[in-house]
Amino acid sequence: GAVVSQHPSRVICKSGTSVKIECRSLDFQATTMFWYRQFPKKSLMLMATSNEGSKATYEQGVEKDKFLINHASLTLSTLTVTSAHPEDSSFYICSARDRVYSYNEQFFGPGTRLTVL
Amino acid sequence: GQNIDQPTEMTATEGAIVQINCTYQTSGFNGLFWYQQHAGEAPTFLSYNVLDGLEEKGRFSSFLSRSKGYSYLLLKELQMKDSASYLCASVDSNYQLIWGAGTKLIIKP
Repeated sequence: GAVVSQHPSRVICKSGTSVKIECRSLDFQATTMFWYRQFPKKSLMLMATSNEGSKATYEQGVEKDKFLINHASLTLSTLTVTSAHPEDSSFYICSARDRVYSYNEQFFGPGTRLTVL
Repeated sequence: GQNIDQPTEMTATEGAIVQINCTYQTSGFNGLFWYQQHAGEAPTFLSYNVLDGLEEKGRFSSFLSRSKGYSYLLLKELQMKDSASYLCASVDSNYQLIWGAGTKLIIKP
């Protein structure tokens, strides 16, 4: 149980285009989903926390108009990188927290590697 | 401020034992996680400690001392596939994960 999928796993796009990444909890309901980005050989950087049905909470320094997050249901959250630029190239990982669990484990998706040309 | 410290890199020999330390300073404490992350992949859950003491799970064990703000991950009978980064993360009073930078573990034959 507690499987999180992410789609696509890899995407290459041209500078200026927008890219949407989907994160789904397959066998549980996720009241909270998290979006991270990770640069090579660096740790995870939390970008935003999204709760189902409400606006996402962005970390300091993360542009909410550039990284649009939607958490429309208990099993789906999307991250849209708008007008992507080469510096947005990174590994984007989502995680989800199961509403049933009494502690705070986050289940991670497999990640999406974004390359902006 | 909130801070998680763990060594950047460690090297160990196949079949040996290695201990990866983590110290934390967070506003409030609601447990500590260890995750394993292979290059190019997402983190996978290893352990969660919220009470003091040692939790053993097969070849991996995790220890917590809340009074010292200290945890370690102990890996026994090391295998080549254990070469990965090991991430320590503390849960703060807002139930957010505060991540360490990760320890890259290199296993040599």
